[in-house]
Amino acid sequence: DTVLTQSPALAVSPGERVSISCRASEGVNSYMHWYQQKPGQQPKLLIYKASNLASGVPARFSGSGSGTDFTLTIDPVEADDTATYFCQQSWNDPHTFGAGTKLELK
Amino acid sequence: EVQLVESGGGLVQPGRSLKLSCAASGFTFSNYYMAWVRQAPKKGLEWVATISTSGSRTYYPDSVKGRFTISRDNAKSSLYLQMNSLKSEDTATYYCARHNAQRNWFAYWGQGTLVTVSS
Repeated sequence: DTVLTQSPALAVSPGERVSISCRASEGVNSYMHWYQQKPGQQPKLLIYKASNLASGVPARFSGSGSGTDFTLTIDPVEADDTATYFCQQSWNDPHTFGAGTKLELK
Repeated sequence: EVQLVESGGGLVQPGRSLKLSCAASGFTFSNYYMAWVRQAPKKGLEWVATISTSGSRTYYPDSVKGRFTISRDNAKSSLYLQMNSLKSEDTATYYCARHNAQRNWFAYWGQGTLVTVSS
């Protein structure tokens, strides 16, 4: 299975820029997607196919990467961005998720 | 507005069966691949099953293959997950999710239904 490794928990201050990484154990082309999950809620799609912003998602969120290395960037970070962020690949079967990066605001 | 509402979760003993349902609205259900994704308590996400628009093709990871069956009723805009031979490691919140047009990302998610497998 394709293992997705995400950066550990991060703590940033409002107004700063934060980058959350996701590294795949094998190539996934551009088929990497990002989700935001706030406590007690269902996940929400943020970015699809590495760099495409999902409908209704603020332009503060952006994605980049291809192959095995991907990044979700939030700039600037707002207090409401406190959440866990998951990456997911759909190039190799089975489709897999990363373990998540918990973003905390200072 | 896309809505996905799961039901059918609860407490079940190991080895028993349970069937989850998902009622969809706000989009043309028959046009989209649908899926189930689960999340064990305080853990990450795991894709469980996907079904094609007509229901003719289904996909599962090895962890549930042969035990879980995904199905759909396009006339009722409903998705189902039949879970047999349940194990304690199947304890999780199960989310109904709508794929994009194909079997790639999960564009919309329901609120989830909790399944607890315990004696």
